Amino acid sequence: QSVLTQPPSASGTPGQRVPLSCSGSSSNIGSNTVNWYQQLPGTAPKLLIYNNNQRPSGVPDRFSGSKSGTSASLAISGLQSEDEADYYCAAWDDSLNGYVFGTGTKVTVL
Amino acid sequence: QVQLVESGGGVVQPGRSLRLSCAASGFTFSSYGIHWVRQAPGKGLEWVAVIWYDGSNKYYADSVKGRFTISRDTSKNTLYLQMNSLRAEDTAIYYCASGGTGGPLDNWGQGTLVTVSS
Repeated sequence: QSVLTQPPSASGTPGQRVPLSCSGSSSNIGSNTVNWYQQLPGTAPKLLIYNNNQRPSGVPDRFSGSKSGTSASLAISGLQSEDEADYYCAAWDDSLNGYVFGTGTKVTVL
Repeated sequence: QVQLVESGGGVVQPGRSLRLSCAASGFTFSSYGIHWVRQAPGKGLEWVAVIWYDGSNKYYADSVKGRFTISRDTSKNTLYLQMNSLRAEDTAIYYCASGGTGGPLDNWGQGTLVTVSS
């Protein structure tokens, strides 16, 4: 059972803005940075956002992250067909002494 | 470029052991922590374990604590996961990924499939 909760699905039409949420607690998101990963169908996960809101080189600026208290958000602006994937938030948990992933959100482009 | 290549997966009976390897190249292996993350068929990502850059600290998920052991051989630029007392619920694709203890996991391997079945 994951300690980070994400909605199981989200969708949008091309060009739309799609927000994804990630809810945690004081021992994880509340006290550590949040990272986001994108997993395209049949492939390994890829780092999408680190340190709450930083994009690795090569990640389009239509992806943005934020954190407030014990929750985090990922927004996809100008949704494109290639954004159809599973998205996971993650953070270190001080109580579990482990890295925890969210339950994942499957994004569908309509 | 950075490359992580897992190997050692396969079909194993419940209660038996298996050792996974993760060969690293393209970066200074001894300077980075490395994680194991797994994904059961059709399920989400589950963190398994991490080892510090120098091997001095290791952390495990409760689900594998006492059964799995993470280790590294800097001379071979290779990470290992010794898996003992395997259970059906350990069936998953196992990925290695580089990153600090608290992340981010910035480079991932392609994964190796472990199937625990009689």
